[in-house]
Amino acid sequence: DAKTTQPNSMESNEEEPVHLPCNHSTISGTDYIHWYRQLPSQGPEYVIHGLTSNVNNRMASLAIAEDRKSSTLILHRATLRDAAVYYCILRSNSGGYQKVTFGTGTKLQVIP
Amino acid sequence: DAGVTQSPTHLIKTRGQQVTLRCSPISGHKSVSWYQQVLGQGPQFIFQYYEKEERGRGNFPDRFSARQFPNYSSELNVNALLLGDSALYLCASSFLLAGSRDTQYFGPGTRLTVL
Repeated sequence: DAKTTQPNSMESNEEEPVHLPCNHSTISGTDYIHWYRQLPSQGPEYVIHGLTSNVNNRMASLAIAEDRKSSTLILHRATLRDAAVYYCILRSNSGGYQKVTFGTGTKLQVIP
Repeated sequence: DAGVTQSPTHLIKTRGQQVTLRCSPISGHKSVSWYQQVLGQGPQFIFQYYEKEERGRGNFPDRFSARQFPNYSSELNVNALLLGDSALYLCASSFLLAGSRDTQYFGPGTRLTVL
């Protein structure tokens, strides 16, 4: 099964950009890359997802390497509310059957 | 609209007992997934159901089972509880099965403690 590897923790100053890396060297061609974040005592919250091309939404950008073996979640201006655990996730569907692999997560600390 | 709801919020059981956790998806969502999150770790995928059929299963023993009802709500059942089953159990719903690109919306979870 595909696996994801993330740094345990990262720090960022408020209002500066943050780049959260994820390694998924065993990714398969049908795996979508999803990013979710989780605040304490809450369920995970969707951030962004992509397959091959870079993606942007109002929350963040997702940069996917050309070989798809790594990706980077980019928060353009970190705020205190962005402090959370960020998970890189691989999801695939084969014959209508789902597989989901969560990474270990990166705890992001935002310094005022 | 209400988000994903789960009940109970907290639960304490003893080893060997059985437990049933419940999940109500967002109105209109037909897919429900279950995850186990042990303290300090990322969630682990247990099951996904769509239109009352199992559409995904993670690496969990047969003590874990689930079902989805005609109103799309779902139950997760765990038999013969072990200490290691202590965790936060998360339910997530999505509108479609949609391959692997649908957005999942998570509930707040049920905290299960096995003594």
